[in-house]
Amino acid sequence: DQQVKQNSPSLSVQEGRISILNCDYTNSMFDYFLWYKKYPAEGPTFLISISSIKDKNEDGRFTVFLNKSAKHLSLHIVPSQPGDSAVYFCAASARYEGNTPLVFGKGTRLSVIA
Amino acid sequence: EPEVTQTPSHQVTQMGQEVILRCVPISNHLYFYWYRQILGQKVEFLVSFYNNEISEKSEIFDDQFSVERPDGSNFTLKIRSTKLEDSAMYFCASSDLGDLQPQHFGDGTRLSIL
Repeated sequence: DQQVKQNSPSLSVQEGRISILNCDYTNSMFDYFLWYKKYPAEGPTFLISISSIKDKNEDGRFTVFLNKSAKHLSLHIVPSQPGDSAVYFCAASARYEGNTPLVFGKGTRLSVIA
Repeated sequence: EPEVTQTPSHQVTQMGQEVILRCVPISNHLYFYWYRQILGQKVEFLVSFYNNEISEKSEIFDDQFSVERPDGSNFTLKIRSTKLEDSAMYFCASSDLGDLQPQHFGDGTRLSIL
């Protein structure tokens, strides 16, 4: 059951360049999407989210784009920094009120090379 | 910054034994969750909890599992008779009331069943 797919298990990017992480989903009921970052031996840390009524949300170096017709979202990090090296998880939920289970992708390991 | 704390960080238990994983959610949050991640697999939802009762649970959360909020600060996950396949990272999360509130995760408890 792969309702949320992150098809790239890993990505390497030069420091200062843009990192683009992609995520696809199949459940058209999803209307709230989140990106989490995870370092080894730590839990997922919330980065940024977007609801289905928007197509873009920006927070500092992080921007999330949502294409509902393609059921696709992406996370852009610019400029990329070595500290951004981590596993990035895309997550989605079918309702954006509280108490809603998140469905996670498998994650993409980002390596930012100095 | 407030955070979700989980204890212990690592629990080793014999198969068939009961285990209790503990979590202290962020203090003003009202929604609580448990997720697990088996090595090499996705983060999976187990259960959500609100107003002292279970709101939703997944197929994984069978009769061997239970959750409790024994006091005003702790949130626990109990596995009554552990099996080898219960070996995983268990993450607790909490979120605030209202729309578009992200879930914030603890650093997890690594459960190893021997």
